[in-house]
Amino acid sequence: QSALTQPPSASGSPGQSVTISCTGTSSDVGGYNYVSWYQQHPGKAPKVMIYEVSKRPSGVPDRFSGSKSGNTASLTVSGLQAEDEADYYCSSYGGSNNVVFGGGTKLTVL
Amino acid sequence: EVQLVESGGGLVKPGGSLRLSCAASGFTFSTYSMNWVRQAPGKGLEWVSSVSSSSSYIYYADSVKGRFTISRDDAKNSLYLQLSSPRAEDTAVYYCARGNGSPFDYWGQGTLVTVSS
Repeated sequence: QSALTQPPSASGSPGQSVTISCTGTSSDVGGYNYVSWYQQHPGKAPKVMIYEVSKRPSGVPDRFSGSKSGNTASLTVSGLQAEDEADYYCSSYGGSNNVVFGGGTKLTVL
Repeated sequence: EVQLVESGGGLVKPGGSLRLSCAASGFTFSTYSMNWVRQAPGKGLEWVSSVSSSSSYIYYADSVKGRFTISRDDAKNSLYLQLSSPRAEDTAVYYCARGNGSPFDYWGQGTLVTVSS
């Protein structure tokens, strides 16, 4: 199972919006609405920010939103804040009783 | 409060063995699927293995199939991962995570496994 494709880096200034893409295939991202997004700060465990494409867990700011079109899912962070600087990973059900992750995107707040 | 605490990591020789543990608290452990996810130094996340409630279903990534064994003890609220014949490429922080993958909603702090002679 190949990893999902994410851009290695993204950036934006405080207050701006940034969108991170996650491209898979019809066998994973495109075939199921089971895309999740995780935020990971250095030395910390990942934290779920979005699940089932666009749902936000309790406590996650509504500045974080998710969407999907075809085989590509996206995470948008609006009103960027300094604490949003982190690595972001997408994941999807892989269709064969497995979960596949993206390679990760380092988000820099300028 | 949900807590997942991994232990058992350390240095292991190629071809050796090591057992990782994850102690769970703050939720009804027996009713949840549990997982191991790893992260090699400076790299991304990789799903390793999952076990459903009651151990009815067990799944492995191709990269560890036949070498790693996942198990759970609901009486002890604990999850395990037995690493057999580890390779250098198995060097990683191993996280215990709750859920069926959509999402993994709680994660432990991780335990580092280093495979080296």
